[in-house]
Amino acid sequence: QVQLVESGGGLVKPGGSLRLSCAASGFTFSDYYMSWIRQAPGKGLEWVSYISSSGSTIYYADSVKGRFTISRDNAKNSLYLQMNSLRAEDTAVYYCARTEITMIVVALDYWGQGTLVTVSS
Amino acid sequence: QTVVTQEPSLTVSPGGTVTLTCASSTGAVTSGYYPNWFQQKPGQAPRALIYSTSNKHSWTPARFSGSLLGGKAALTLSGVQPEDEAEYYCLLYYGGAYVFGTGTKVTVL
Repeated sequence: QVQLVESGGGLVKPGGSLRLSCAASGFTFSDYYMSWIRQAPGKGLEWVSYISSSGSTIYYADSVKGRFTISRDNAKNSLYLQMNSLRAEDTAVYYCARTEITMIVVALDYWGQGTLVTVSS
Repeated sequence: QTVVTQEPSLTVSPGGTVTLTCASSTGAVTSGYYPNWFQQKPGQAPRALIYSTSNKHSWTPARFSGSLLGGKAALTLSGVQPEDEAEYYCLLYYGGAYVFGTGTKVTVL
């Protein structure tokens, strides 16, 4: 069965960095786009970034552009999010999601359980 | 900045029907925005329900359906069950970026 497991969250000071990982299993990782989505405490969902199956196409939300970098290692079935220059407003649960984007279908079907990032001094 | 707006809250009786909508600040929502719908219960990760306007995932109960209605994306719950009480989010695709809706809290009472 499809499984996505995020890790790497924790407490970090403003201006600091953190790298999140998402370990995928149960499907051919290299066939799928992948996305990061976050949710601040008590707030709604916010899309952060997605990366194509080969890694050649990447998009970011304006709120993280220039500070966050998405990447993947298809040999390791893993997705990453490098977060630099962290701000208090980046505090959230970060989810990875399997993503499909074609001319006919756009879907985020399977989600991980999330990892909490807290930015505080 | 694009804003996707949903009703903040809706209440429905068990066995009833409720329709949630999803509007874009850029204009009418069409199939080209590939609307997705997600359900989230407290303390849980979101669960995908509908993709590309009206397609159900293999696990989506038959009582959930997606459509376009009056220039908005819509999610209809028919024959509502107590376990349908949750927050529901839509997602629109803007050809290079996604934007989630503001969320609708559905109460089954």
